[in-house]
Amino acid sequence: GAGVSQSPRYKVAKRGQDVALRCDPISGHVSLFWYQQALGQGPEFLTYFQNEAQLDKSGLPSDRFFAERPEGSVSTLKIQRTQQEDSAVYLCASSLMAHETQYFGPGTRLLVL
Amino acid sequence: QKEVEQNSGPLSVPEGAIASLNCTYSDRGSQSFFWYRQYSGKSPELIMSIYSNGDKEDGRFTAQLNKASQYVSLLIRDSQPSDSATYLCAVASRAGNQFYFGTGTSLTVIP
Repeated sequence: GAGVSQSPRYKVAKRGQDVALRCDPISGHVSLFWYQQALGQGPEFLTYFQNEAQLDKSGLPSDRFFAERPEGSVSTLKIQRTQQEDSAVYLCASSLMAHETQYFGPGTRLLVL
Repeated sequence: QKEVEQNSGPLSVPEGAIASLNCTYSDRGSQSFFWYRQYSGKSPELIMSIYSNGDKEDGRFTAQLNKASQYVSLLIRDSQPSDSATYLCAVASRAGNQFYFGTGTSLTVIP
């Protein structure tokens, strides 16, 4: 079946703009995770959803970052008033249940100028 | 101290040799452990998952877990140039609501 998809694949934003990144998880996957990956680093946890409930948002770096998954499927990560330090690859992953293998989408590469 | 530590490398091995990748973690309550491979510019893809102490083999790959020592390793036998990538160790938190990734070990297999 289809894997995890993300859009857009690339996004260039001017500093101060708002951006929205979309994730379509694998159908039936309960758990959905967002990560931020800087160049040369491993993915850093941002937030976790179980169905529509955001159970952990401890990794969101500031209150400019907001994520939602209103119907327990598609999720959107929104970054308000983007800053240059927000430039990174944003990865979405889904799994059938917590603790289980996560399957990653292709990522959205965000560049803030 | 980071939750998951890996040697960043780079690690170079000749084609056909065994590559050994190591990872330590800090949360004694962790129950799920994963090795992912990431090619440059691509997203991580799963190689192995391991949940119990001991060895788990899948083709040329063997994962080893020692919970007492809080240590996970990955052995790649008969290394191929196509194995050249960054290998990420991932550990699920006790509640499963977070995955902690190491910084990755860069592996180059020399033909």
